[in-house]
Amino acid sequence: GDSVTQTEGLVTLTKGLPVMLNCTYQTTYSPFLFWYVQHLNEAPKLLLKSSTDNKRTEHQGFYATLHKSSSSFHLQKSSVQLSDSALYFCALRDTNAYKVIFGKGTHLHVLP
Amino acid sequence: EAAVTQSPRNKVAVTGGKVTLSCNQTNNHNNMYWYRQDTGHGLRLIHYSYGAGSTEKGDIPDGYKASRPSQENFSLILELATPSQTSVYFCASGDRGTLYFGAGTRLSVL
Repeated sequence: GDSVTQTEGLVTLTKGLPVMLNCTYQTTYSPFLFWYVQHLNEAPKLLLKSSTDNKRTEHQGFYATLHKSSSSFHLQKSSVQLSDSALYFCALRDTNAYKVIFGKGTHLHVLP
Repeated sequence: EAAVTQSPRNKVAVTGGKVTLSCNQTNNHNNMYWYRQDTGHGLRLIHYSYGAGSTEKGDIPDGYKASRPSQENFSLILELATPSQTSVYFCASGDRGTLYFGAGTRLSVL
């Protein structure tokens, strides 16, 4: 079945540095990928999404490119801020467009 | 104003008791979802629905039932609650994979 893998459980880095959070997926059909962000004691919110191969999508300084050849949708930012500290989920929409599967999430902890 | 509203926000239940978590959405989305969030497991899908009257099993449906009596409402029912069901539960409504989450319900089963 469909699946999403996030390899890092925790990423810690200093403010101003670049970051990349990994996401790979497995699906038999055409993929539609999402990144959600969850700040402490809040609900997850959509950060960005894509179904277009090799096209960069951006929002709030974060960006990601769907690469179907490597089944990846890594999240990047060129300079992290303290406010970026949160839990980030990669998600895959099921082929029938009803079911949405999440990875286990990556905690991003930004130090001053 | 919140488009997905969950109630209650906090619940303490006894083992073997019945628990009902409620969710209401004003987004007019066909799809609704129940997830539970546990450290180390991320968000796991319990049940989902693609319209009034429909319920489908997600990845971890055992011990849970769902009910979708209308477009707006989607309930999660624990007929015989167990301590392993202690968790934070999120309801969401969705449009082609873009999900809008409620604030969550923190459930403790003692």
